[in-house]
Formats: sequence, structure tokens, C-alpha cells
Amino acid sequence: ELKVEQNPLFLSMQEGKNYTIYCNYSTTSDRLYWYRQDPGKSLESLFVLLSNGAVKQEGRLMASLDTKARLSTLHITAAVHDLSATYFCAVDAGNNRKLIWGLGTSLAVNP
Amino acid sequence: DSGVTQTPKHLITATGQRVTLRCSPRSGDLSVYWYQQSLDQGLQFLIQYYNGEERAKGNILERFSAQQFPDLHSELNLSSLELGDSALYFCASSTLQGPTQFFGPGTRLTVL
Repeated sequence: ELKVEQNPLFLSMQEGKNYTIYCNYSTTSDRLYWYRQDPGKSLESLFVLLSNGAVKQEGRLMASLDTKARLSTLHITAAVHDLSATYFCAVDAGNNRKLIWGLGTSLAVNP
Repeated sequence: DSGVTQTPKHLITATGQRVTLRCSPRSGDLSVYWYQQSLDQGLQFLIQYYNGEERAKGNILERFSAQQFPDLHSELNLSSLELGDSALYFCASSTLQGPTQFFGPGTRLTVL
């Protein structure tokens, strides 16, 4: 059974500093997703990573995928308050895009 | 705004009751997914439909059922409700090729 683990689950960040969130999954998959959720809101797609070595960047966020290590990272550069949210990784279970989700990483950016 | 709509936004009901949640996918999307988000279990995939046919099932209770209609909107029916069914229910849609699933605003269900 596919399991997805994120760490850390909580991250208190200082403005201007760099941080990394890790997402490990237990079995082979060819699709990994990163979503953002603001409190009480819906899920917003950030990145879809489709192959080993894939790297995608949007603003201060960069995601990468290592399928051999079954690991994805979400790197935050020079954190700003607007990035405060919960970030989820999800892995395609290989069955019609049924997504298995991590527990989420709750980020708080402090001045 | 993802283009996926869900109604109602909030629903408060009592144990033992039955409710129906509705989802309209983005224009052109044939796949609809239902997810449950709760504090104790996180995000759980419930069920997927593609062009009216069930394609994948996840951790969906027997008390729950869903369908997708010819106009592609989908309904999730929850019956014999229990306190533990209180959660946010999200619908998402995608094209067959995808890969991105676009999420609706969710329905917050509270069972008292």
C-alpha cells in the first residue's frame, strides 16, 4: 500500500531565510503533486512532477523529484509572509490518478 | 477560482440523516474525484468518475455513494450520518490526460 510521509509537519520560518520540505513515498509512482491550502480554503495546485530529475520553479518555490529515492523536495527561497499556508504532497497511486496524500506541512513565516 | 463549483458551502445536520453534496467540474473535464478532509485522517480519496462511469474507489464507506450524470456534474450521497463524518468534502476535476486535478471550494459538513 502506498504511503506518503512529509516532514516536517510544522515549520516556523524567518522572513528572508531558506527552507526545505521533504516528501517520501513508499512505492513506485510516476506522478507527484504539490498543493497549497490556506486556512479554510481549497487546494491550489503548485507543481506536478512527472519524471525522475524533474525540477519546477514558481517564484520563491522550487520542487524536485528523485524517483529512485522516492523523494520530492519543496525548497523555499527567502521566505515571505505570503507563503504561510499548509503544503501537501500527493502521489499518484497508479490507478486512474487516485492520489495518496501526505499529512501536510504547516508553514508560518515570522518577521 | 479553479472553475470547479460545489454546493452547498456549509451543511449542518443531525446524526442518522442523509445529505447530498453537488459538484460541477470545469468545462471540458470528464473526470471527477471526491475527497474527504478531516483533522484525524487528513485528505482521503473517496471515489473517481469518468464520463459517467466509476473508475476508481478509495476509502469510501458503504453508507456513502456517488454518481456522475450525463451533464457531467456529480453528487456524493452520505447516509446514516455519524459524528465522525463531519469533515470538508472536496470535489476535483481533470481531463483524462491531466495530470492536474483542480479542486472546488469544498463543502463543510457538520454532523451534530
